[in-house]
Amino acid sequence: QVQLVESGGGLVKPGGSLRLSCAASGFTFSDYYMNWIRQAPGKGLEWVSYISSNRRYINYADSVKGRFTISRDNARNLLYLQMNSLRAEDTAVYYCARDRTEGGLLDYWGQGTLVTVSS
Amino acid sequence: EIVLTQSPATLSLSPGERATLSCRASQSVSSYLAWYQQKPGQTPRLLIYDASNRAAGIPARFSGSGSGTDFTLTISSLEPEDFAVYYCQQRSNWPPLTFGGGTKVEIK
Repeated sequence: QVQLVESGGGLVKPGGSLRLSCAASGFTFSDYYMNWIRQAPGKGLEWVSYISSNRRYINYADSVKGRFTISRDNARNLLYLQMNSLRAEDTAVYYCARDRTEGGLLDYWGQGTLVTVSS
Repeated sequence: EIVLTQSPATLSLSPGERATLSCRASQSVSSYLAWYQQKPGQTPRLLIYDASNRAAGIPARFSGSGSGTDFTLTISSLEPEDFAVYYCQQRSNWPPLTFGGGTKVEIK
């Protein structure tokens, strides 16, 4: 069965960095676009970034552009999110999600990893 | 950026009642609208895609309708496990993917 397991969250000071990972299993990872979605405490869902299956296409939300970098390792079935210059407003649970259609249909989500940015 | 507005913010109903949730887009998204369910402390789950198609394993009491700018998620008869927050999401014009603010369906 499809499984997505995020890791790497934690407490970091404003201006700091963190790298999130998402380990995929149960499907051919290299065939799928992947996304990061976040959810601030008690708030709704916000799309953060996507990466195409072959890494050719990448895009970011304006709120993270220039600070976050998405990447993937298809040989190891891993998705990453490098987060730099973190701000308090980046505090959220970060989910990785599989894109079923290469067109933004998120059919499987991980359980999420919490990132807290605070001094 | 396409803005999705969900209403009502909270819906208070009893088990067995019919729930009708609305999602309105700031411009046409054709039929490229999905609905997700999120229970407290859990990950979002895809319910409906392309406005009216149920995802795998989703019970028939969930149905979606609409096109263009106005969409509806209907739960025909609420089961205890259906009390949750529901989000709509468009993929017509992206990036960015955008989500509505959510509708909480709570027990009356």
